[in-house]
Amino acid sequence: IVLTQSPGTLSLSPGDRVTLSCRASQSIASSTYLAWYQQKPGQAPRLLIYGASSRATGVPDRFSGSGSGTDFTLTISRLEPEDFAVYYCQQYGNSPYTFGQGTKLEIK
Amino acid sequence: QVQLQESGPGLLKPSETLSLTCTVSGYSITSGYFWGWVRQPPGKGLEWIGNIYHNGNTHYNPSLKSRVTISVDTSKNQFSLKLSSVTAADTAVYYCARNTYSTPFDLWGQGTLVTVSS
Repeated sequence: IVLTQSPGTLSLSPGDRVTLSCRASQSIASSTYLAWYQQKPGQAPRLLIYGASSRATGVPDRFSGSGSGTDFTLTISRLEPEDFAVYYCQQYGNSPYTFGQGTKLEIK
Repeated sequence: QVQLQESGPGLLKPSETLSLTCTVSGYSITSGYFWGWVRQPPGKGLEWIGNIYHNGNTHYNPSLKSRVTISVDTSKNQFSLKLSSVTAADTAVYYCARNTYSTPFDLWGQGTLVTVSS
């Protein structure tokens, strides 16, 4: 399953609201086996969202996920300085697990 | 708390075999979870390599399957990755991570950079 994330890069300001998109080339198994990760330079990815909409432990509630089937979104309601990073979606319902190419949030 | 730590050579020559080990602390591998490997070429995205259950059942990415072996050593609470016949295209940060049938990678190692160069 190919995951296509859009846009590739976003230039935003702290306090902005942002929605990232992840589209799958075919429906994901169980419809919601979709995760979102945040990755900062030099660090491992950090799980934010699993099951399309469940926040991982310790993730602030400004992060929310939605979608099913082939179309998914990650919304950050109000950007904090520490949120500027690269975000990846991943499907884990079908083998091989696959990741999107990433969306980079940069400070305007 | 549970931690994963990768270890292994950081520099290989083309055609050699990459060997990495992930040591799990704070949790017994035999208690559950899939234990796997993900890699990331410099400046690029993430690629799942494969994973293993504590009973030895493995799943591999078809794109790498012919060159990959993942094994587990429950006595040392470790699992390992071998990737044969490496080329420069295998240069990447290699992460170990855990997941289950119904959950994604919730815990990652810090990653180790492996460079393939003559």
